[in-house]
Amino acid sequence: GQQLNQSPQSMFIQEGEDVSMNCTSSSIFNTWLWYKQDPGEGPVLLIALYKAGELTSNGRLTAQFGITRKDSFLNISASIPSDVGIYFCAGQNNNAGNMLTFGGGTRLMVKP
Amino acid sequence: EPEVTQTPSHQVTQMGQEVILRCVPISNHLYFYWYRQILGQKVEFLVSFYNNEISEKSEIFDDQFSVERPDGSNFTLKIRSTKLEDSAMYFCASDRGLWPQHFGDGTRLSIL
Repeated sequence: GQQLNQSPQSMFIQEGEDVSMNCTSSSIFNTWLWYKQDPGEGPVLLIALYKAGELTSNGRLTAQFGITRKDSFLNISASIPSDVGIYFCAGQNNNAGNMLTFGGGTRLMVKP
Repeated sequence: EPEVTQTPSHQVTQMGQEVILRCVPISNHLYFYWYRQILGQKVEFLVSFYNNEISEKSEIFDDQFSVERPDGSNFTLKIRSTKLEDSAMYFCASDRGLWPQHFGDGTRLSIL
């Protein structure tokens, strides 16, 4: 099946710093999504990307859908303590039952 | 904001027993999904369901698994004879088709 490689696996940063994480795939996705998961909870959607080259912002979050449709990045600017959590990228192809293929996650830790 | 709700939040079951996990998707959504997440690992797709039938399933979703939409609101996942390796968080998700999937907070399944 399709595999998503997400990096870095974890990050420990100072409050106020910017963060960048990315996902790459060996195959094409029609849609890229970024989710955040807090302990004991389900993934919460942050940003959805539908077109190759698309750059979308949601507050301090910015994500881009790579032009080749095989990669995406997520940036968080001016991190705050509540940004702590695990961030997952997910790729979707609408001709495969709409299933999501998830990356391995990036665990973000923010030092106040 | 409408949510996907899952019950129970934690299920403890003896190996070999049957278990049913329950989900109430968002009311105007048409597509329903089950995913699982083994502790410390990424989220994995199990099955997608549309128009009262399975539209896609992964190799994890073997003969021991089944899904059902018994009425207009519930969506269930049944594991017929549980194994130790079925211990995981199970997430239900739903969407309206070509829209991002929204996840519930999950059921933690512990097999003893």
